[in-house]
Amino acid sequence: GAGVSQTPSNKVTEKGKYVELRCDPISGHTALYWYRQSLGQGPEFLIYFQGTGAADDSGLPNDRFFAVRPEGSVSTLKIQRTERGDSAVYLCASSFQVNTEAFFGQGTRLTVV
Amino acid sequence: QQQVKQSPQSLIVQKGGISIINCAYENTAFDYFPWYQQFPGKGPALLIAIRPDVSEKKEGRFTISFNKSAKQFSLHIMDSQPGDSATYFCAASIRGSSNTGKLIFGQGTTLQVKP
Repeated sequence: GAGVSQTPSNKVTEKGKYVELRCDPISGHTALYWYRQSLGQGPEFLIYFQGTGAADDSGLPNDRFFAVRPEGSVSTLKIQRTERGDSAVYLCASSFQVNTEAFFGQGTRLTVV
Repeated sequence: QQQVKQSPQSLIVQKGGISIINCAYENTAFDYFPWYQQFPGKGPALLIAIRPDVSEKKEGRFTISFNKSAKQFSLHIMDSQPGDSATYFCAASIRGSSNTGKLIFGQGTTLQVKP
């Protein structure tokens, strides 16, 4: 398909473990966003990439969260020393350029037990 | 100032009725107001969006009404159908070359359309 692809769809991990969540944006899209959606809430912005660089990481909750986009396409969200409060759906979105329509992936549901 | 407040939290409408969801914002720098529809297990999908230079935008059965002075905007779904049953989110962002386009979302409204 031509949409935003996120893997895995579901991830269960133990408290304290490290996890990586992957996002494959739509081909040619230069802007990429990560959001976190807690149960019953709207998505909350985490980080924005323009090309390879993180242009805005103001939404990352603390230094356990980190994201990369080394070649300006696929992005990985990394969470160290996971906590139960990190349990949520992590959404990735991409757009052709900044300030154009953003297309969301289906999300990765992270459960920390 | 970055918040977008959405109401109601849930809404039940009969088939053929009008669904109305409201949002309010504080930051007057917001200049792009989209509505997203989300089905269970799926990511949000853009439904319709408006810029503050117009007071209303209509696309099919979906209409956004925008009141700049009141800092409020609403989504109207005419002739609501069971297939419209989903969670709806309003959002706001600041567009422009020096901005990131990040979206600030409301809390969501779960709509159920009864047949």
